[in-house]
Amino acid sequence: EAGVAQSPRYKIIEKRQSVAFWCNPISGHATLYWYQQILGQGPKLLIQFQNNGVVDDSQLPKDRFSAERLKGVDSTLKIQPAKLEDSAVYLCASSFTDMNTEAFFGQGTRLTVV
Amino acid sequence: AQSVTQPDIHITVSEGASLELRCNYSYGATPYLFWYVQSPGQGLQLLLKYFSGDTLVQGIKGFEAEFKRSQSSFNLRKPSVHWSDAAEYFCAVGDRGTNAGKSTFGDGTTLTVKP
Repeated sequence: EAGVAQSPRYKIIEKRQSVAFWCNPISGHATLYWYQQILGQGPKLLIQFQNNGVVDDSQLPKDRFSAERLKGVDSTLKIQPAKLEDSAVYLCASSFTDMNTEAFFGQGTRLTVV
Repeated sequence: AQSVTQPDIHITVSEGASLELRCNYSYGATPYLFWYVQSPGQGLQLLLKYFSGDTLVQGIKGFEAEFKRSQSSFNLRKPSVHWSDAAEYFCAVGDRGTNAGKSTFGDGTTLTVKP
């Protein structure tokens, strides 16, 4: 079974530039998550999708971050404009809708803002 | 709001020695509980999970964890550590109210293994 795919693996941008990350979840997983993992910390949820609808985006800095999941499969996370403090690993995860199931994580995109 | 505390930021053990990583959580009811491992440059790999039932949970790579409701703890153990176990370990609480995949993570414990 293919896992969660993310691209790119690494990205370096200057502050105030924009950047986008892509995620392809495991086939059949209706729920998709984006997490931000700052160095030395655990992952923190940014947004949760159920199919193509947003379930929870309470922790997403909406003035600069946006995410979409068109057609309920792939998802993109965008940052515009980027700040130095956005340097982090952005992890995508997916799970079945069923309650008793965990999330499966991709390898992440490491973003460095200089 | 739920939270997870991993009191040990860094632990060093000798290869072959036993290991225990501590995890304490705050949650209003019986939680979903997870342990993940993350190697440098890699994503999170699930070691084990607790949803209900037997409070002693067996996972992959010889790890186990015990859910203790009275202590709000879910400590990870391994009887004999291998050099390949060196990594960062995260404990997480899943949201039983909505979906187990939506989790709150601790800040991790870095494990170093001495030869």
